[in-house]
Parts: sequence; structure tokens; C-alpha cells
Amino acid sequence: AQSVTQPDIHITVSEGASLELRCNYSYGATPYLFWYVQSPGQGLQLLLKYFSGDTLVQGIKGFEAEFKRSQSSFNLRKPSVHWSDAAEYFCAVGPRHGSSNTGKLIFGQGTTLQVKP
Amino acid sequence: SQTIHQWPATLVQPVGSPLSLECTVEGTSNPNLYWYRQAAGRGLQLLFYSVGIGQISSEVPQNLSASRPQDRQFILSSKKLLLSDSGFYLCAWSPGSLGVNIQYFGAGTRLSVL
Repeated sequence: AQSVTQPDIHITVSEGASLELRCNYSYGATPYLFWYVQSPGQGLQLLLKYFSGDTLVQGIKGFEAEFKRSQSSFNLRKPSVHWSDAAEYFCAVGPRHGSSNTGKLIFGQGTTLQVKP
Repeated sequence: SQTIHQWPATLVQPVGSPLSLECTVEGTSNPNLYWYRQAAGRGLQLLFYSVGIGQISSEVPQNLSASRPQDRQFILSSKKLLLSDSGFYLCAWSPGSLGVNIQYFGAGTRLSVL
């Protein structure tokens, strides 16, 4: 079955500390991979995506993620967290271009990030 | 550039009343369109998606329905709201079969059924 697991429901880090949010997936073939961020009461904003090539991808707001095929993981990282990074983060996987006409994504349950001053 | 609009931003409705939430996309044609719901403290649940005008697929049986009367318009409806329909509703679009499957989200509608 296709699924995305974000093992950490809630994470608290101090401002300036490093951050890693975990994401593991189960999918029939190598999917497209995404991280989205949602501020309270807002829609989801795309942070970064992986399609192919370099397995370390850079996104907006200083975030990066690393695709590890052998571990079926796509963990999100940031070297130094800012108070404005407090939000909910969703990992998602979806079909590669041309393999599906629906474009449906499978989302993890999300990780809520709290930043301590 | 493409933009997505959802309205209203917030809505308070009594149980048993009808519902209509609207989503429109600008700057693209023939997008895939999606309706999601987020219950409090829970993840995203895909409710409906559409790959073209009049083509609606339902993901879960429920009290809601969706329609796509125009290429870039997606409407979420209910004839009689239930308490359990409360939540945060998100509309999203993706470029469809001719583009890369990235979904872009609207700002959402907070629905409270009382």
C-alpha cells in the first residue's frame, strides 16, 4: 500500500538550533517527493521538491531535504531554525510525470514544529 | 502567473443548512483540481478531485459533493450540513497530465457547523 509516515507528531527546538524532520514512504516506484509548510489558518506552501538527479535538494526559507532511496526517506533539514519557522510540515509523495493523469498526492500526517526563544 | 482563490475565508453555519464553497484558478488551463479537509489536529484528507469539466472523483463517502461547471472553477457543496462537516477546507490545483504533478493550495476556508 502507498503511504507516507512522519514519525514525529510534534517537535520543539530552540531558536538557532538545527532541525531535522523525518519522512518515510512506501510507494510502488520512485515517486516525486515534496515538503509543504502550513502556518496556522493558512494554506500549504511548497518548500521543496525532488524529481530526479542530485539527491540533496534546496528549497525556500533555507530548508533542504535529502532523498535516500535505500531507506525510502526524504528528511527535511535546516541548519538554524528561526522563530518564524514554527508551523506544521507535511511530507508528500506523488506519481512521476506521465505515469498518472490524476496527480494525486499522498500526504503524511504532519509534524508540528514549535520554536523556543 | 497562476493564482488560486478560495472563498469565503470563514463560515459559520447551523446544522442542516446548505453549503457552497468556491475555488477558482487563474493563469492556467485544464488544471487538475482537488478538495481536501483538515479536521482539528489531523492531517489532510482528499475529498474530491477532478481532471476535467464535469469529471469528479470522490475519495470518501460523505455528506458532501463537488462540481466543476467551468474549467477553472471547483465547487464543494452540501444539502444539509452535519456537525462532523466542521473543519478547514483546502482547494488545490496541479497542471494536469501535461505538466508536472505539483499541487498548489489556496488559503483555505474555516467551516464551523453549530
